[in-house]
Amino acid sequence: DGGITQSPKYLFRKEGQNVTLSCEQNLNHDAMYWYRQDPGQGLRLIYYSQIVNDFQKGDIAEGYSVSREKKESFPLTVTSAQKNPTAFYLCASRPQGASTGELFFGEGSRLTVL
Amino acid sequence: GENVEQHPSTLSVQEGDSAVIKCTYSDSASNYFPWYKQELGKRPQLIIDIRSNVGEKKDQRIAVTLNKTAKHFSLHITETQPEDSAVYFCAANLPGYSTLTFGKGTMLLVSP
Repeated sequence: DGGITQSPKYLFRKEGQNVTLSCEQNLNHDAMYWYRQDPGQGLRLIYYSQIVNDFQKGDIAEGYSVSREKKESFPLTVTSAQKNPTAFYLCASRPQGASTGELFFGEGSRLTVL
Repeated sequence: GENVEQHPSTLSVQEGDSAVIKCTYSDSASNYFPWYKQELGKRPQLIIDIRSNVGEKKDQRIAVTLNKTAKHFSLHITETQPEDSAVYFCAANLPGYSTLTFGKGTMLLVSP
């Protein structure tokens, strides 16, 4: 069953701690994305990767880091430098080079900083 | 870069009424305009899209129209049902770019 899997679904973190959100896809898509969703703010792009071992900053990359060591995996680390990390995080993928066509989303991870 | 404005931010209708959500984009070169629906607690899913060489596209109760001159596009839902209640996002894509620019979303509430 093809798709995108995000884990964990819910995560709690203390201030000052880094946390890593997992994103795995078996759609054979080259491009992968991380979005942050806050109420009334829409979907804001954090980082994206179009090919293994390469990634680019999106609109709100500060305080986040990513890696793309495998085509299937694009983990996102929320660092202690992120001032307001409590949010809903969505991972997505798309075929390489596609500037049209569907963006496939995972179920999301909800991060709460205590 | 591209900028997408979406209105209204919330929309309440009675079951059976029509609903219209409007978006404007800033870069006339954008050529792909999808609409995503996100039900409460779920992932966004594509419901309809339109390319710049087409003025209108329909899929059952859903239609999208595009006005390239005015740089705006709209989602039309007819005969609304309670299960249409969700947040709807419009987006625009520039050719050659793999990233979508999203609007801020419209929360649609359909009352029985």
